[in-house]
Amino acid sequence: AQSVAQPEDQVNVAEGNPLTVKCTYSVSGNPYLFWYVQYPNRGLQFLLKYITGDNLVKGSYGFEAEFNKSQTSFHLKKPSALVSDSALYFCAVRDPSGTYKYIFGTGTRLKVLA
Amino acid sequence: EADIYQTPRYLVIGTGKKITLECSQTMGHDKMYWYQQDPGMELHLIHYSYGVNSTEKGDLSSESTVSRIRTEHFPLTLESARPSHTSQYLCASALGLNEQFFGPGTRLTVL
Repeated sequence: AQSVAQPEDQVNVAEGNPLTVKCTYSVSGNPYLFWYVQYPNRGLQFLLKYITGDNLVKGSYGFEAEFNKSQTSFHLKKPSALVSDSALYFCAVRDPSGTYKYIFGTGTRLKVLA
Repeated sequence: EADIYQTPRYLVIGTGKKITLECSQTMGHDKMYWYQQDPGMELHLIHYSYGVNSTEKGDLSSESTVSRIRTEHFPLTLESARPSHTSQYLCASALGLNEQFFGPGTRLTVL
């Protein structure tokens, strides 16, 4: 079965330090991978995606993610965290079976401490 | 900011009422989706649509219906609201196989 795992419910990081939010996936075929961010009382906002090509993908607000096929991972990273980055982050993969559904992880709450 | 709109933003109703949550997008996207999300929790797919006159059930579809008569409009109807329906409802759209754009959500409270 297709699945996405975000192993950490919460990640705490000091402002200015690098941050990593982890995501692993299990799908058949080539994955289409996405990261979204959700601020309180808002819908999700698209950050970045991997479809094909360079394994390091750059996105909005200084975020980037590295696709690692051998480890089936797509971790979200940022070199220097801001307090305003504190939010809920979701990893997602498009269901490759042709249903046009997206499979979401359970979310990771990022807290950046001043 | 994505051009996808949801109304109402907040709704408080009594048990047994029929309600329709509205979702519209002006981006010409062919795919549209409804998700249910309790605050700070994971998303659950309720219904989705490939295009006009096509709808599919997700994981939580048994107590609601959708229609897709026009590309831009994808309303969700609860025939008889219950307290267990209290949640946030998120609408999203996508063009082909690309990323989804999400609306701001409707926060529903059923008393």
